[in-house]
Amino acid sequence: DTEVTQTPKHLVMGMTNKKSLKCEQHMGHRAMYWYKQKAKKPPELMFVYSYEKLSINESVPSRFSPECPNSSLLNLHLHALQPEDSALYLCASSQPNFIGTGSEAFFGQGTRLTVV
Amino acid sequence: DAKTTQPPSMDCAEGRAANLPCNHSTISGNEYVYWYRQIHSQGPQYIIHGLKNNETNEMASLIITEDRKSSTLILPHATLRDTAVYYCIVKGGSRLTFGEGTQLTVNP
Repeated sequence: DTEVTQTPKHLVMGMTNKKSLKCEQHMGHRAMYWYKQKAKKPPELMFVYSYEKLSINESVPSRFSPECPNSSLLNLHLHALQPEDSALYLCASSQPNFIGTGSEAFFGQGTRLTVV
Repeated sequence: DAKTTQPPSMDCAEGRAANLPCNHSTISGNEYVYWYRQIHSQGPQYIIHGLKNNETNEMASLIITEDRKSSTLILPHATLRDTAVYYCIVKGGSRLTFGEGTQLTVNP
């Protein structure tokens, strides 16, 4: 099983709402990632978890709050978003990559988020 | 992580080999070269990665120059379903950073 499952596939939320995106993998990977992708642009890294601990935060605004409750699950909690936050949010997982090692990352199909 | 340079777009005839170049002149000795592709509105798909030696799998071949400053992804017999944005990424450690990529269009 090389699948990363993201739910929901589509989400429309108001600027005052609180919602969560969910990502799940059962490949035994201990690194998980959140990316944001705007139309016609490459994915931008937001967060990296390694062994369930946040290892990289790419200066993401606090209205995005990641959580890794266990080695198979990754959540992204959303609160007070702006219309410009509308994008495709992608989750990925891999074995942890240390300097000098390489392993592939598997991506989910993403959640298409629209903030109104 | 080292920066990569790719042509913004390429065309290929169906059934022919597609050769996608990538320059990564600032790559360091412990950084890997990865290739991913993204078909419209789907998540990126891993294709292949390598450190020094040429690599081949069921999807593609990766040719890395001896000085490691550039590489070429080869799709041996391109099909219409290979139309996608192809990303060349140089990676050391946990940060997988995408550049602008190459839009490959396979024409019938």
